[in-house]
Amino acid sequence: DAGVIQSPRHEVTEMGQEVTLRCKPISGHDYLFWYRQTMMRGLELLIYFNNNVPIDDSGMPEDRFSAKMPNASFSTLKIQPSEPRDSAVYFCASSLWGFGSSPLHFGNGTRLTVT
Amino acid sequence: AQTVTQSQPEMSVQEAETVTLSCTYDTSENNYYLFWYKQPPSRQMILVIRQEAYKQQNATENRFSVNFQKAAKSFSLKISDSQLGDTAMYFCASRKTSYDKVIFGPGTSLSVIP
Repeated sequence: DAGVIQSPRHEVTEMGQEVTLRCKPISGHDYLFWYRQTMMRGLELLIYFNNNVPIDDSGMPEDRFSAKMPNASFSTLKIQPSEPRDSAVYFCASSLWGFGSSPLHFGNGTRLTVT
Repeated sequence: AQTVTQSQPEMSVQEAETVTLSCTYDTSENNYYLFWYKQPPSRQMILVIRQEAYKQQNATENRFSVNFQKAAKSFSLKISDSQLGDTAMYFCASRKTSYDKVIFGPGTSLSVIP
């Protein structure tokens, strides 16, 4: 299995630009999470999906952030417009729904820098 | 609210020694799930060990074991025979039910000293 695939690995953009982060979960996993990691706030859950449907987006910081999962093998996290405070590492993770001990499998993360 | 606390921001241990990382959590559920993840400098998040709350036996994975104290809501990680490759951030995490999100603690930075 290829694992969770995220792209790009690094993204540098200017304030005000649109940023799109991409994620391909492990085949067969029906649970997908987006986390943001910063030194100040640690690992924050932004949103998670079950069977492509958003279950909880209460962690999305503001309307500038949006996430979609058009099918079982692809998800995007979009920031528009981006701001310097959005600089962080963004992780996507997938898991099996209904199996509590099923661990999260993480992608390698996208390091976003907004200048 | 579901919370996970790790009271040790940084720790160090001599190579080949044993170290214990602390974690406490807050939940009103009776059956829940606990995890320890490791994040080395490569930033990859790696599962170390997991525990189902309904199991009384503490989980073990080679040099890694947990001390699960359900009444105290404590879930500490013990690393035996520490190796240089154990140097990493360690995150404790919990999931309330099989259909719920996973919440992470703030992490403990562990340095293994040669």
